[in-house]
Order: sequence, then C-alpha cells, then structure tokens
Amino acid sequence: QKEVEQNSGPLSVPEGAIASLNCTYSDRGSQSFFWYRQYSGKSPELIMFIYSNGDKEDGRFTAQLNKASQYVSLLIRDSQPSDSATYLCAVYRPSNTGKLIFGQGTTLQVKP
Amino acid sequence: DADVTQTPRNRITKTGKRIMLECSQTKGHDRMYWYRQDPGLGLRLIYYSFDVKDINKGEISDGYSVSRQAQAKFSLSLESAIPNQTALYFCATSAAERGPYNEQFFGPGTRLTVL
Repeated sequence: QKEVEQNSGPLSVPEGAIASLNCTYSDRGSQSFFWYRQYSGKSPELIMFIYSNGDKEDGRFTAQLNKASQYVSLLIRDSQPSDSATYLCAVYRPSNTGKLIFGQGTTLQVKP
Repeated sequence: DADVTQTPRNRITKTGKRIMLECSQTKGHDRMYWYRQDPGLGLRLIYYSFDVKDINKGEISDGYSVSRQAQAKFSLSLESAIPNQTALYFCATSAAERGPYNEQFFGPGTRLTVL
C-alpha cells in the first residue's frame, strides 16, 4: 500500500461543474496536507494546504480534511478548461524529517 | 520576486557522459531537494539537503550525486548518464521546519534526454 494514494483518473467534468479530487493517506502521524497543480511539462504549483480538520476555502478551491478517515480532498467550483491539469496531493509528517510524500496525481479534464 | 531557477532547461546527452544540473534560489530557504518525475511514477526524491553541511539520500539516489555549494545553490550530477535517467528533473526548496507549514516550492524543471 502506498503511503499517499490518488486515483490517477482522468476525471472529466463539464465546464462550470464542481470537480472533486480525493487523496487518502496511511500514516496517522501525518500533520499537514498540500495540493499542487501541475500542467503538462511544467512544475508543480502549490494551490492550498490544510492541517486542521474541516474545510479551508480559497476562491474557487476548497480543501477538506478528515483525519479520522485519513482522507483529504480538493473541490474546485465552477471548473474552467484552464483547470485541466494533474493535481498532486502531498503529505507531511514530522517523523519523516521534513520531507513531503507525494501521491501520483489525478488528471482533471474540464470540457467546454 | 523570490524564485527557484534551474539550468539548463533542456539537455540532450549521450550515454556515459557526465551531466550537471544546477539549482539556485532567492527565497532564503535552508532546505533544498532534487526530484525526478517519470510518466506514471510521480515525483521521486533523489537527494535533499537541510543546510550546506547536511546532505541526505532520497529514495532513488543510485547513479546520482549532489553538491550544496551555498545556501542558495544545490547541484545534481549524473556521473555517467544512462538512458533510463531520461526524465523531468525538479529542484524544490522549503523553509526550515515550522510546525505544519512545510510547503515546498518548485523550480521550472530540466528535461533531460539520455541517448
């Protein structure tokens, strides 16, 4: 079992819909969680991070964390074709000496 | 703007050649990382450094070496390049550990092709 798991997709949603991206993690010592967006051939770009249970909103993006169930999700409201990218989930746990553990990413396709 | 830069951005080389990829940052971060990314395999950590005198192997360090010349500079070398080292290479930085705030910031990447 991988420490951080994501469905590779592709996840296809119509323009204007809500895209829901999910990530599960195996280590209960995980402390903080990061969502990166990566366009094809480009570098990962940090979108949001969350470390408290519940929701955190930033514009059209909402990160949700449920530590009891060990999952974190990213919701994208009013999806746009420009949101089409691969979304990487990354997890930090103090016992891992400062390194992030990355999932393999979910590819999102937003169709006009 | 504080930034992470990588040189070269693209490189084509031949099997057996020595290659150096360079990373510089103006973010003032102590921690620097080298990753490679292959289709379907995600980001894999090669080496990381928490300060100039602290260098550590990641999950796939065989065939690679690094040098931390200064707080702002971290270089990755392929001593004798082989075709399966063809990949996209990223440098990343982060500040010293600050509770849950351990986000990493990535450079633009180097696309390396080994023929």
